[in-house]
Amino acid sequence: DAKTTQPTSMDCAEGRAANLPCNHSTISGNEYVYWYRQIHSQGPQYIIHGLKNNETNEMASLIITEDRKSSTLILPHATLRDTAVYYCIVRPDRGSTLGRLYFGRGTQLTVWP
Amino acid sequence: DTEVTQTPKHLVMGMTNKKSLKCEQHMGHRAMYWYKQKAKKPPELMFVYSYEKLSINESVPSRFSPECPNSSLLNLHLHALQPEDSALYLCASSLKHLGDYGYTFGSGTRLTVV
Repeated sequence: DAKTTQPTSMDCAEGRAANLPCNHSTISGNEYVYWYRQIHSQGPQYIIHGLKNNETNEMASLIITEDRKSSTLILPHATLRDTAVYYCIVRPDRGSTLGRLYFGRGTQLTVWP
Repeated sequence: DTEVTQTPKHLVMGMTNKKSLKCEQHMGHRAMYWYKQKAKKPPELMFVYSYEKLSINESVPSRFSPECPNSSLLNLHLHALQPEDSALYLCASSLKHLGDYGYTFGSGTRLTVV
């Protein structure tokens, strides 16, 4: 299974872009990268996912490197409400854990005024 | 309707009690999931239902018994729990289990076993 590595914590000033990195060097060709976030005491919230191309939606942008070994989630204009734990997840596309969504420790993003 | 609704939001139960957690969605999703989250830890997958059939049990103790009565409902029956089972129990759903579909999570049931 492809594992992910994320920094434990990051800070960002309100109004600035938050760039959250994720390493997934063992990712295989058909495995998608998913990003979720969890605001304190709430359920996780789906943000975005991608395979090879960069993706953008109303919440964020996902930049995946050409070799697919790392990705960056970009929140273009962070607000205080974006303070949360951000999880980068690679869903296995084969084997006994096919399709399962396993959460790692994630990155605690704190947006300050 | 774009939500997953979990009830109750909070539950306190004794170790000899039997209780149930309920999860409901009306998005036409055919996959539903139970996760358990201890304080300051990431969510851990417990069960996966696909088309109302249990497809994955992540070696969860038998004191947790899932049930999927129909495509919109998912229950988690609890019996003879231990204090260490106290946690936030999260339900999620997705269009299908396999494929590039995002999950929609509920807000969870915070369970305390006394």
